[in-house]
Amino acid sequence: QQPVQSPQAVILREGEDAVINCSSSKALYSVHWYRQKHGEAPVFLMILLKGGEQKGHDKISASFNEKKQQSSLYLTASQLSYSGTYFCGTDTDFILTGGGNKLTFGTGTQLKVEL
Amino acid sequence: NAGVTQTPKFRILKIGQSMTLQCAQDMNHNYMYWYRQDPGMGLKLIYYSVGAGITDKGEVPNGYNVSRSTTEDFPLRLELAAPSQTSVYFCASSLGTELVIQYFGAGTRLSVL
Repeated sequence: QQPVQSPQAVILREGEDAVINCSSSKALYSVHWYRQKHGEAPVFLMILLKGGEQKGHDKISASFNEKKQQSSLYLTASQLSYSGTYFCGTDTDFILTGGGNKLTFGTGTQLKVEL
Repeated sequence: NAGVTQTPKFRILKIGQSMTLQCAQDMNHNYMYWYRQDPGMGLKLIYYSVGAGITDKGEVPNGYNVSRSTTEDFPLRLELAAPSQTSVYFCASSLGTELVIQYFGAGTRLSVL
């Protein structure tokens, strides 16, 4: 089942902060965050694993509440380059053959940063 | 380093035609994926592969076929194209570790008219 993202869209002024949420009805193994600019491919931002391990860009932070099956992406001191659509991808079962993820993506949060 | 390369970038098909979307990666990744993205929507997994010779269905496999004869290539075949297959198709690959990052190609924009 597709994770639910909120808000659907947000407009920020440069320097402001934003939080994007991702919620699933299923128990999650991992949450992945990607950003996609118009007409381009999604670009990796952050991975959070059940158990607390995470990996991502230095200027972006995120949290993963395993009990609530929720993740939040925190964008601080936003820049014009942060504009785009943010997707969370959730994985309920690490592929047992030794790696890889079957991700189910949310419908995205459109973020626009203005001067 | 080219990463994930998809061809063609754009294609218009007539209803009932067939075509193959090409995907190649040069990162020696075991895992490869095909997604489709409809306008204003998230990505949906069509098929994935865990290595050469091994493929499995994703969420929306109907109307598509895949094969993986080499580590590098993972083509997606559309048979008897339908308007519902109008979409942007993304190929991705990842290394087989827990903290997997999926690297995406630039996409193929397909219209079926």
